[in-house]
Amino acid sequence: DTGVSQDPRHKITKRGQNVTFRCDPISEHNRLYWYRQTLGQGPEFLTYFQNEAQLEKSRLLSDRFSAERPKGSFSTLEIQRTEQGDSAMYLCASSPGRADGYTFGSGTRLTVV
Amino acid sequence: GESVGLHLPTLSVQEGDNSIINCAYSNSASDYFIWYKQESGKGPQFIIDIRSNMDKRQGQRVTVLLNKTVKHLSLQIAATQPGDSAVYFCAERKEAGNMLTFGGGTRLMVKP
Repeated sequence: DTGVSQDPRHKITKRGQNVTFRCDPISEHNRLYWYRQTLGQGPEFLTYFQNEAQLEKSRLLSDRFSAERPKGSFSTLEIQRTEQGDSAMYLCASSPGRADGYTFGSGTRLTVV
Repeated sequence: GESVGLHLPTLSVQEGDNSIINCAYSNSASDYFIWYKQESGKGPQFIIDIRSNMDKRQGQRVTVLLNKTVKHLSLQIAATQPGDSAVYFCAERKEAGNMLTFGGGTRLMVKP
């Protein structure tokens, strides 16, 4: 499968715990994006990497959120001290430069209890 | 499985009919638009895209129309099939920008 892979598919955590998600983009894509989607809404942009550089961050990305892409390949999104409002689907997408074709992964569904 | 879009606008069509899903976008400076299909528990799946220098683009069974004057985008699906049932989102990208901004989504239900 050469699509965008996300792990885990589902995560249930207790409020206050830290969680980390992983995204493996399509191998030749140098751009990687994280989005968050809540029920009934379209995905909302969180952050964007070009290779290993994090170039844009949304105001939605509070200080409890951190994303990395250390070698310009896979990326991780960590949420510290999770809150119930963090419950959402976290989607990763990649694209080949600024060209067309953003491909999304299947997402990680986070539930904070 | 989980449900995407519990309270979205819904379009219900008969199998074999044509479907038209509409989207009003927000930014006159947007230069690129994409339609995505999302099924329950899955990520958005690319359907078709169009650049702002075009007003129509056709794919297999799908056509996207862009009206920049009124900032309106539509997706036409010909001979709608049960497998087309999903939530459909339009997304726009600002000129010189990088991320996509999504619209609110429309649920398409296809009756056999």
